[in-house]
Amino acid sequence: AAGVIQSPRHLIKEKRETATLKCYPIPRHDTVYWYQQGPGQDPQFLISFYEKMQSDKGSIPDRFSAQQFSDYHSELNMSSLELGDSALYFCASSLEMASGPQETQYFGPGTRLLVL
Amino acid sequence: AQKVTQAQTEISVVEKEDVTLDCVYETRDTTYYLFWYKQPPSGELVFLIRRNSFDEQNEISGRYSWNFQKSTSSFNFTITASQVVDSAVYFCALSEARSRDDKIIFGKGTRLHILP
Repeated sequence: AAGVIQSPRHLIKEKRETATLKCYPIPRHDTVYWYQQGPGQDPQFLISFYEKMQSDKGSIPDRFSAQQFSDYHSELNMSSLELGDSALYFCASSLEMASGPQETQYFGPGTRLLVL
Repeated sequence: AQKVTQAQTEISVVEKEDVTLDCVYETRDTTYYLFWYKQPPSGELVFLIRRNSFDEQNEISGRYSWNFQKSTSSFNFTITASQVVDSAVYFCALSEARSRDDKIIFGKGTRLHILP
């Protein structure tokens, strides 16, 4: 079965540079979530989108922005990178049906970002 | 506020021993979901189980079993006859069902070492 695809899988940037992470949800999934996992930490929710609209926001820095496109893929844009942005960034997707229980979020393999 | 507590930061057991990972959660909602994820050294988040708050039945899947007790707000995970491949960080997590696309709140994780 198709899974969530994230690219790139690894990324090395210098301080103050920008980075763009991409997420391709499972086909027909309409909701995307972004999480950040620092070294030795638990994943922290950043932001989510449903049907191309932002649906929830967590502890996402103002230097970060994200969007979901018409084909449901999502991009996380990170500017003025800092050393502390080095982390594993996960994207997850789910299908939010009009009725019924909350659907399970399926996680991608993550993008490992290293800021030097 | 929602919170997940995994009091065991790190556990080491010898292969073939049974091991239980503890998880205690806090939530004001009556409808919520509980999860366990496995994160091997490669970094991906592997979904193990999702349980909704109305289903207190214990579940067994092969060597894995889960004990959900609402009275103590606990959702413990037991691995029977542990194997070296079970070595990983295990996260317990909670999602409140206030909206269908609600974020997942993770515990700090328990690092499990299975010694040969």
